[in-house]
Amino acid sequence: AQKITQTQPGMFVQEKEAVTLDCTYDTSDQSYGLFWYKQPSSGEMIFLIYQGSYDEQNATEGRYSLNFQKARKSANLVISASQLGDSAMYFCAMRERSSNAGGTSYGKLTFGQGTILTVHP
Amino acid sequence: NAGVTQTPKFQVLKTGQSMTLQCAQDMNHEYMSWYRQDPGMGLRLIHYSVGAGITDQGEVPNGYNVSRSTTEDFPLRLLSAAPSQTSVYFCASSYAGGRYNEQFFGPGTRLTVL
Repeated sequence: AQKITQTQPGMFVQEKEAVTLDCTYDTSDQSYGLFWYKQPSSGEMIFLIYQGSYDEQNATEGRYSLNFQKARKSANLVISASQLGDSAMYFCAMRERSSNAGGTSYGKLTFGQGTILTVHP
Repeated sequence: NAGVTQTPKFQVLKTGQSMTLQCAQDMNHEYMSWYRQDPGMGLRLIHYSVGAGITDQGEVPNGYNVSRSTTEDFPLRLLSAAPSQTSVYFCASSYAGGRYNEQFFGPGTRLTVL
């Protein structure tokens, strides 16, 4: 079963409008983290926002906010006031609680398939 | 800081050839990992390391070897390249422990196997 599901292969939005990119996840862990990354056409992976499973408030970073609904296991990315430069692939990712034999936790990520966002002028 | 660097940026191989993709980071991160990105499949974890001398398999390890002799370097070896290994490869690193564990990604290596 998919651990991270992004059901929107492509999304279109008008410049200056808001857009929501969907992400649902599946885990039995109580402690986990959710990330969103942006990948423009140039190919690099750009970190956007992080939400911890115990965070009581939704994460915000500038024009990015994360609509975290823990009971529904969803972590949707909201981009406000879209700009032409927001056109890119967006990935949702989850870090479950992982540790080695020494008890050190580390950041192994599971990614969704991505959503291509196109911003129209 | 250079962050996470990868070489080469592009590579074309013939089936059966071997090669090593290089990855280095100068942030003193304990955790390093390799992902491959294929169209429509997102990024999938190949191998990872939680420190020098410690490596483990990810989701798609077959056909790849790794080693971690230093904190800074984490090379990925293709033993006998196959067309199915045509992909974009990303190296990433992060601190171990803590709450955040944000991964920093390298620029990627685009590999084509003919």
